Amino acid sequence: NAGVTQTPKFQVLKTGQSMTLQCAQDMNHEYMSWYRQDPGMGLRLIHYSVGAGITDQGEVPNGYNVSRSTTEDFPLRLLSAAPSQTSVYFCASRTQTSGGGEQFFGPGTRLTVL
Amino acid sequence: GENVEQHPSTLSVQEGDSAVIKCTYSDSASNYFPWYKQELGKGPQLIIDIRSNVGEKKDQRIAVTLNKTAKHFSLHITETQPEDSAVYFCAASISGYQLIWGAGTKLIIKP
Repeated sequence: NAGVTQTPKFQVLKTGQSMTLQCAQDMNHEYMSWYRQDPGMGLRLIHYSVGAGITDQGEVPNGYNVSRSTTEDFPLRLLSAAPSQTSVYFCASRTQTSGGGEQFFGPGTRLTVL
Repeated sequence: GENVEQHPSTLSVQEGDSAVIKCTYSDSASNYFPWYKQELGKGPQLIIDIRSNVGEKKDQRIAVTLNKTAKHFSLHITETQPEDSAVYFCAASISGYQLIWGAGTKLIIKP
């Protein structure tokens, strides 16, 4: 199993550009999520999905869109990049169990917006 | 909403000594409390978790304690080793779907 994969590893954008961060998992996990990690702030949840066709907002959803057309893939779209979106982005997945459970994280995408 | 505070932000201990990291949470409805370890350049990895119906949980050199009355939980690492050097995060969740994370503790193990 490859686990959770993310592409690209690094990306530099100019303000106003759009892009999609890719995330895929091969563990047949129903729950997938996107986080951003900023220095000194821990991880913050952007969006999450409990299954194909179902998504919901986390703590910091503004400026980001997601969709979940398959169990395996959960792309994150930046609509119009802003310098405040400079961060490291992590995708994670876990089995759909109530009350929490181990999340498996991808290696991250380091995004810089100029 | 839920808020999680984590202390200290940096902890330096001698190899072989114990390390303790503490977290407090604000929402008494929180019922799931995981601890993750993040090594440089990698995503976080779960090391231990505890649910609100349990006061303590151990896994070899790692233990977590939960005090629901005081709304705080702690990570204890005994007999620290160089490979324990990393950033550790606590988190809390009400539903299990949204985790609220602490700001992290950088643990340094001195040889």
